[in-house]
Amino acid sequence: SQTIHQWPATLVQPVGSPLSLECTVEGTSNPNLYWYRQAAGRGLQLLFYSVGIGQISSEVPQNLSASRPQDRQFILSSKKLLLSDSGFYLCAWSVGSFGDEQFFGPGTRLTVL
Amino acid sequence: QKEVEQNSGPLSVPEGAIASLNCTYSDRVSQSFFWYRQYSGKSPELIMSIYSNGDKEDGRFTAQLNKASQYVSLLIRDSQPSDSATYLCAVEAGRRALTFGSGTRLQVQP
Repeated sequence: SQTIHQWPATLVQPVGSPLSLECTVEGTSNPNLYWYRQAAGRGLQLLFYSVGIGQISSEVPQNLSASRPQDRQFILSSKKLLLSDSGFYLCAWSVGSFGDEQFFGPGTRLTVL
Repeated sequence: QKEVEQNSGPLSVPEGAIASLNCTYSDRVSQSFFWYRQYSGKSPELIMSIYSNGDKEDGRFTAQLNKASQYVSLLIRDSQPSDSATYLCAVEAGRRALTFGSGTRLQVQP
């Protein structure tokens, strides 16, 4: 069966510091991978998606970036965090077409102070 | 206009009742529809997917889709306190990924 991992689970970072969040998927090959952000009391905002190694598409221009160095690894990064980057970061995977079901990891709760 | 709209709630129902959650979407080319359940502080969990007009049942859950009216609903029969959560509607419309509504908070009163 498929499993998706995210770490860290929680993170508190000062404004201007760098960020690296990692997501890995087990039990499937060549998944589509996604990064979402959920602000408090809000819906999910798609940040990035990837259909394969090195292939990243950005949905929202901002100070975040994503990379996919391996088939089942997806990394979200920032060089300098802003207060507005606080939120619940969720990685998700799917297989097949983009209309297929997506499954979420446990998430990382980021607080920028 | 929001692409996917849901009433934020809270929707309060007594234990054992039917909870009805609704979602409307704006893009007529949408083909795939999903309901996720999200407990406070946790990540969304997929509970239902529906692709064709009509009803789809899975245990106590029934998803209903009406593409002509552009709405999708979720019925929860015999609601339990453990069903208390936020329910997210998600729609795929030929774009790159899903578009989510802001969610409806359901409270089941014991």
